[in-house]
Amino acid sequence: AQKITQTQPGMFVQEKEAVTLDCTYDTSDQSYGLFWYKQPSSGEMIFLIYQGSYDEQNATEGRYSLNFQKARKSANLVISASQLGDSAMYFCAMTPRGKGTGFQKLVFGTGTRLLVSP
Amino acid sequence: EAQVTQNPRYLITVTGKKLTVTCSQNMNHEYMSWYRQDPGLGLRQIYYSMNVEVTDKGDVPEGYKVSRKEKRNFPLILESPSPNQTSLYFCASRKRGAYEQYFGPGTRLTVT
Repeated sequence: AQKITQTQPGMFVQEKEAVTLDCTYDTSDQSYGLFWYKQPSSGEMIFLIYQGSYDEQNATEGRYSLNFQKARKSANLVISASQLGDSAMYFCAMTPRGKGTGFQKLVFGTGTRLLVSP
Repeated sequence: EAQVTQNPRYLITVTGKKLTVTCSQNMNHEYMSWYRQDPGLGLRQIYYSMNVEVTDKGDVPEGYKVSRKEKRNFPLILESPSPNQTSLYFCASRKRGAYEQYFGPGTRLTVT
């Protein structure tokens, strides 16, 4: 079974600084996908970034990058130049691939609340 | 506007009274899912569907039913709700071949 661990319940960062949100995962699958989602205080879930287990390059999307270390089974999210609007809950998630589930089976971590201060 | 809609957004009900939370998407997505979110537990998948008439259990399916008779709709049914099903529920959809899931606004359910 897959498991996602986010050990940081809360993180603080000053505006314009970079911040890393930790995520480790446990799986016996060789092929899998890793995701990060953002949940602002308004409650909606927003997709941020995706990394495939066979992707050689770390995924990047604007100010978001995923620091993927396969041997360590970690998939940390790096937010560069933090903004006040980045204050939110962040969830790491993973999905097994190639098992007929079509990428639909998704396991989430417990989340990290990020607070960006002026 | 491309979106996933859920109804109702808020519901307070009593133990044992059957209820249905509707989910509809207008993006012609093949894949749909239901999740529940509880404090300290993150989101947990209840059921998912890969297409019409194709559904499968997620990690916490007990006490829930789903159906996918039309591509756009994926209702969540609680036949006999219990207080431990008090939670925030999200529906999501995704296009086959894409990574991004589109989430609905959530339904906050309280069972007394």
